[in-house]
Amino acid sequence: NAGVTQTPKFQVLKTGQSMTLQCAQDMNHEYMSWYRQDPGMGLRLIHYSVGAGITDQGEVPNGYNVSRSTTEDFPLRLLSAAPSQTSVYFCASSLGDRGANVLTFGAGSRLTVL
Amino acid sequence: GESVGLHLPTLSVQEGDNSIINCAYSNSASDYFIWYKQESGKGPQFIIDIRSNMDKRQGQRVTVLLNKTVKHLSLQIAATQPGDSAVYFCAENTGGFKTIFGAGTRLFVKA
Repeated sequence: NAGVTQTPKFQVLKTGQSMTLQCAQDMNHEYMSWYRQDPGMGLRLIHYSVGAGITDQGEVPNGYNVSRSTTEDFPLRLLSAAPSQTSVYFCASSLGDRGANVLTFGAGSRLTVL
Repeated sequence: GESVGLHLPTLSVQEGDNSIINCAYSNSASDYFIWYKQESGKGPQFIIDIRSNMDKRQGQRVTVLLNKTVKHLSLQIAATQPGDSAVYFCAENTGGFKTIFGAGTRLFVKA
């Protein structure tokens, strides 16, 4: 039972490059989300999805795209990376209980943009 | 990772003492609150939750207190152990799916 799996664990990009952070869960969770974590800032919500084909913006969506074609996968795309996107990224999922959303997190992906 | 949380508030306690971690939340409409624990190099893990119609909830060695009047949460850890050393986050839900996190507090446990 893998839970939430994120790849890659580490990535270095140059400014302007694109990449996709992968997230997969095997718990049949309806809800999935992406957070970024910066020093002293806690976790900030980027995008989330309440089911296949449905996505919505969080607190800091600019510069990121998402899609949800299957229940299991929720990739995060950076189309043109900027140094301000250097961060640790966490994917999280849950059963999707509205108003009682207990999240299961992946181990994180550390991204450095030079 | 190791660089996350460099500028977080820090609480240092002696092993065996009780720890109290505080959190002020922002949205008076929030009706569900969760505490998460994050160990170095890992993602956050659920500890305990509380709904807004309660003011106290107890788990194993942990208690969460909610004061809606002043929009304040606290997490109490009894008999703190070295394994409790981590960053602790409070989070709030406003009845939908968005979970908004606080900045976190780093707990150091001295042996």
